[in-house]
Amino acid sequence: ILNVEQSPQSLHVQEGDSTNFTCSFPSSNFYALHWYRWETAKSPEALFVMTLNGDEKKKGRISATLNTKEGYSYLYIKGSQPEDSATYLCAFIQSGGGADGLTFGKGTHLIIQP
Amino acid sequence: EAGVTQFPSHSVIEKGQTVTLRCDPISGHDNLYWYRRVMGKEIKFLLHFVKESKQDESGMPNNRFLAERTGGTYSTLKVQPAELEDSGVYFCASSQAVWQGLKDEQFFGPGTRLTVL
Repeated sequence: ILNVEQSPQSLHVQEGDSTNFTCSFPSSNFYALHWYRWETAKSPEALFVMTLNGDEKKKGRISATLNTKEGYSYLYIKGSQPEDSATYLCAFIQSGGGADGLTFGKGTHLIIQP
Repeated sequence: EAGVTQFPSHSVIEKGQTVTLRCDPISGHDNLYWYRRVMGKEIKFLLHFVKESKQDESGMPNNRFLAERTGGTYSTLKVQPAELEDSGVYFCASSQAVWQGLKDEQFFGPGTRLTVL
């Protein structure tokens, strides 16, 4: 069982502020890391797939970085808006995948306060 | 482009009954994944189809669960007989390119919420 931790578990941020949160994962046998945005009663929506150490990806106001050697990825949201409120999930994939190699974190629940 | 669809959206059954969940992936997507989220826990991988073949079913809990993807299009996940601990949300996801495998972006369906009483 792989240890994939997301912190913080929940986060309240004022509209307009920037924020970031973390996904920590084992630093061995890295294959890929996925970030998802999940709104209540909707499907998880893919944000980024990160595959190389040092990757930086950006989509609008949301960006992510990856450090496979130390086993963490940061997700940043610049100038938070109410529509950013959601649970952000990371999924760590180890070489081989499968039940032992594909592990989701429990998510960071983000609430943007107007 | 239509997204991944799942049917039914909700199912309430009694322990011992059978339930079949269906997933229609995005047209042309060769990879199809089933996941499950039990309340309060993280999403867990169940299995992965590449076209009609089971690539990896290491996450299937036990032999009460049977997944099929005849013809490589839609997939079904049957639970027979259902137990209380099978309650949860069952998600299906698909991705396009076989060669990219788990490095490819996955598109999730809305899930089927299964309640076993």
